[in-house]
Amino acid sequence: AQSVTQPDIHITVSEGASLELRCNYSYGATPYLFWYVQSPGQGLQLLLKYFSGDTLVQGIKGFEAEFKRSQSSFNLRKPSVHWSDAAEYFCAVGPRGSQGNLIFGKGTKLSVKP
Amino acid sequence: DTGVSQDPRHKITKRGQNVTFRCDPISEHNRLYWYRQTLGQGPEFLTYFQNEAQLEKSRLLSDRFSAERPKGSFSTLEIQRTEQGDSAMYLCASSLASLETQYFGPGTRLLVL
Repeated sequence: AQSVTQPDIHITVSEGASLELRCNYSYGATPYLFWYVQSPGQGLQLLLKYFSGDTLVQGIKGFEAEFKRSQSSFNLRKPSVHWSDAAEYFCAVGPRGSQGNLIFGKGTKLSVKP
Repeated sequence: DTGVSQDPRHKITKRGQNVTFRCDPISEHNRLYWYRQTLGQGPEFLTYFQNEAQLEKSRLLSDRFSAERPKGSFSTLEIQRTEQGDSAMYLCASSLASLETQYFGPGTRLLVL
């Protein structure tokens, strides 16, 4: 079955500390991979995506993610977290070659301590 | 603002009533998606359109739910005979057929009393 697992429901980091949010997927073939961020009561904003090529992708707001095929993972990282990064983060996968629905993980809520 | 817009942003209704939500996609996007997000969960796919054709429907889309995109532009999602379990955030997204990235609107939060 196709699925996305975000093992951490809630993470708290201090402002200025580094961040890594984990994402593992189960899919028939290598999918397209996405990270979205959602602020309370808002829709989803795309942070970054991986389609092919360099397995380290850069996104907005200083985020990056690394695709590891052998581990079926697409972890999100940021070297120095800002208080404004507090939000919920969703990893998603989608089928290659044709537009289809995205499958989302359950999300990781990020809290930032001053 | 040229992003995806949704109306209304919030809706409170009584069980058994019908509700309709509207989504206006980014103007040049020919694909439009509906998702549902319940508390503590990620969005779950409901249905999608390419132009005016509804190409895929999830099993989550019971017969009380209907979606249309009559002219290939905006879309409506109607829920008939609402139930308390329908309370959720309903998200719309759009994309270009030639690209694989979906852009989301702000959502419509539905509360069924």
